[in-house]
Formats: sequence, C-alpha cells, structure tokens
Amino acid sequence: QVQLQESGPGLVKPSETLSLTCTVSGGSISGYFWSWVRQPPGKGLEWIGYIYYTGTTNYNPSLKSRVTISVDTSKNQFSLKLSSVTAADTALYYCARLSAGRFMDVWGKGTTVTVSS
Amino acid sequence: QSALTQPASVSGSPGQSITISCTGTSSDVGGYNYVSWYQQHPGKAPKLMIYDVSNRPSGVSNRFSGSKSDNTASLTISGLQAEDEADYFCSSYTSSSTVVFGGGTKLTVL
Repeated sequence: QVQLQESGPGLVKPSETLSLTCTVSGGSISGYFWSWVRQPPGKGLEWIGYIYYTGTTNYNPSLKSRVTISVDTSKNQFSLKLSSVTAADTALYYCARLSAGRFMDVWGKGTTVTVSS
Repeated sequence: QSALTQPASVSGSPGQSITISCTGTSSDVGGYNYVSWYQQHPGKAPKLMIYDVSNRPSGVSNRFSGSKSDNTASLTISGLQAEDEADYFCSSYTSSSTVVFGGGTKLTVL
C-alpha cells in the first residue's frame, strides 16, 4: 500500500527557509493531490497547502506569502518550502495524500521541525 | 479562513454513545458534503475515520458514523471502547478550494 515518508532538517534558524520532502512509495504520485499539514506542540492540525501531480497548487491564505509546494514526479516526491520562519513555525509536519482534493487518507509519520537559533 | 469550531473535550463511559460537533459556515461545512473526521492517538499520525460527511474507509469500525445539518457536522461513536480515547479533528473543503480543520476534541473514556 502507499506509504509516505517526510525528510528534512529538524532544526532551522529564525528568518531562514524550512525545507521538507515527502517521498511516496508503494504507488505513483500521479493522479492525486498531495498535502502538507502541521501541528504545533500540544495544539491542533493546520492545513498548509496542496499540490496536484501536474503542479497546480493551493495554499492556506494565512501562510500563502511564505509557502511553496513543488512536485517531482520522476522521483515520486513532493516538497515544502516555508520562508522567513519564526518560533511559531515550530511544529510536527505531516505529508498526506489528499484524495479527491478533499480528504486525507494516507499520512506520513511526521517530522519535527524546531525553529531556534 | 477560520478554523471550524469543535468542543475542546467530551467524555463517556464504555458502551455509551458520544457525539462531537463541528461547526463552520456556508462557505465550508454548509456548502459541501465534503466533511471528514480524523482520529489521532498520542504520538501518532492522524487516521481518516469518516469522509464526505458519512462514508467510512475500509477497516474503520461501523461504530463510527457521521452526519451533517446546515453548517454543523457531527461524529458519533457508539458502543464506546477504551481504544476510542483520542483526539478527533474535523475538516472541510472550502469555497476557495482549500481545506480547513477544526480545533480538535479530546475524547476521554471514563
């Protein structure tokens, strides 16, 4: 079955850019929407954005000015870049498959990113 | 977009039924039959429990059911079991083609 694995630095300095990659295994990235979700410590889920395998994107309005999601179908991967990070961006970041563009049926295990100098 | 509104906590005894509400607006919950529910145990990734208001993915117990009326969706868990103790999040598709989550509800099984 399809599995997702997040990877990237666990520590990012304030004002720098957070970069994460999600690798899709057990299935093709083609034909689906793919999403990033984050969860600050002890808090709820926040949807960051999605990308369709063709490259079409949509982002949370509150993060739109700082977020870029891209896809590499040749590597079966999609990526997240969040610029100008602050301590408020410290969170557990999940990648997920967004089926039919509206519900997340496959999730990665998540990766913790801490913003600190 | 504003987060959907959920109660912070609910509780119930084993065997009982509980319902968690999720209130949005006509631009999200009320405008589409695209509400989903996720269960999250501590230290684990969320798990899809209900999609498109009332559909259960394969493998999810039929003790979990969903419904919607106007701008409020609901998740009902019947025959409550200890393993149901977790955080539950609702989510909805929106008129901007984005996704919005609820703040989450902690379910305690007494």
